[in-house]
Amino acid sequence: RKEVEQDPGPFNVPEGATVAFNCTYSNSASQSFFWYRQDCRKEPKLLMSVYSSGNEDGRFTAQLNRASQYISLLIRDSKLSDSATYLCAVLATGGFKTIFGAGTRLFVKA
Amino acid sequence: NAGVTQTPKFRVLKTGQSMTLLCAQDMNHEYMYWYRQDPGMGLRLIHYSVGEGTTAKGEVPDGYNVSRLKKQNFLLGLESAAPSQTSVYFCASSPVRGPRSTEAFFGQGTRLTVV
Repeated sequence: RKEVEQDPGPFNVPEGATVAFNCTYSNSASQSFFWYRQDCRKEPKLLMSVYSSGNEDGRFTAQLNRASQYISLLIRDSKLSDSATYLCAVLATGGFKTIFGAGTRLFVKA
Repeated sequence: NAGVTQTPKFRVLKTGQSMTLLCAQDMNHEYMYWYRQDPGMGLRLIHYSVGEGTTAKGEVPDGYNVSRLKKQNFLLGLESAAPSQTSVYFCASSPVRGPRSTEAFFGQGTRLTVV
């Protein structure tokens, strides 16, 4: 089983839609969690960190469920510019290694 | 404001050739990483370093070597390139806050093709 798993998608949604991605992780001792965004042929960039209490940044909401070992990303009022691959990342026990999921592709259409 | 810089951006190698990928960061980060990204596989950790003079193996270290002689540089070497090493290579660095690293900052990637 992979340490971090995501649904690869693609998710095809119209502008204005709400879309949610989940990511599961296998190591219950994992300490920190992140969502990254990667545009086509570009490097990943941090979208937001995921805190135990959940956090929101504009149209984006991230949540952590430690009991079920998953993190989620909710995008409201999708924009064309949200089209990208979204990678979840988990900081492994010890704090040295960040393990990434394979990514979920999102296409937002007009 | 360079951040993380990778050299070269593109390279084509013949099977059996060797090369070194250079990663330089100007953010004084302690931790540095080399990942490879293949379609459907996501980012896989090759090697990482938690400080100058230290290196450690990641998920897929075979066929690669690394060195961190200076804090700002992390080199990835391919001694004898194979077609299976065709990939996009990303270097990343992260600061340490408390006892752990935090988010990673990535270079722009190196597209390597081995023929």
